[in-house]
Amino acid sequence: SQQGEEDPQALSIQEGENATMNCSYKTSINNLQWYRQNSGRGLVHLILIRSNEREKHSGRLRVTLDTSKKSSSLLITASRAADTASYFCATVPYGNNRLAFGKGNQVVVIP
Amino acid sequence: DTAVSQTPKYLVTQMGNDKSIKCEQNLGHDTMYWYKQDSKKFLKIMFSYNNKELIINETVPNRFSPKSPDKAHLNLHINSLELGDSAVYFCASSQVGMVGDRRSYEQYFGPGTRLTVT
Repeated sequence: SQQGEEDPQALSIQEGENATMNCSYKTSINNLQWYRQNSGRGLVHLILIRSNEREKHSGRLRVTLDTSKKSSSLLITASRAADTASYFCATVPYGNNRLAFGKGNQVVVIP
Repeated sequence: DTAVSQTPKYLVTQMGNDKSIKCEQNLGHDTMYWYKQDSKKFLKIMFSYNNKELIINETVPNRFSPKSPDKAHLNLHINSLELGDSAVYFCASSQVGMVGDRRSYEQYFGPGTRLTVT
């Protein structure tokens, strides 16, 4: 069954604005990861947050994890046109080694 | 210096044909995967091999047969292609710890193979 569910599905913002995406999941997890997919390309790993972590930063990315609500958010600050892509969350369920991907968010950054 | 490579990038073929997609990784990872991404961009795992052994085999028609000649290669052979097989197929690799291990399971993806069955 599908683990991650991103929300919203599509987001259009102006360059320089912040973009926030949410992801919910159903089972206990080892970690949660966010990936980016540019049009016509493979997925690129952005950031991983473990189940015992609450917040993590990487450059302009900020990820939060709330295991009590089984949800995560990805914030991209000061967005750029190059951030236009689909963003996926993926979880590693506890006791499992596989990644379960959500449906993905399409983010369009307008120059 | 490509980390995960796939060939071909595009594959157009007719129903009923048999085709193969090849994947190679030079990251030294011990685990490789095949994913299928449909037209709605939903990504579903199909197979995974760890050191040439099949460890994940999702509900996939047996027309799909993976083969791992060594831990750097994972090929996907598809028999009797159907219209519904049209999708983008991604190969990925990762270094995987023990079950329950909280170390990184980040995956590295290939560029994808767009398969179109007519």
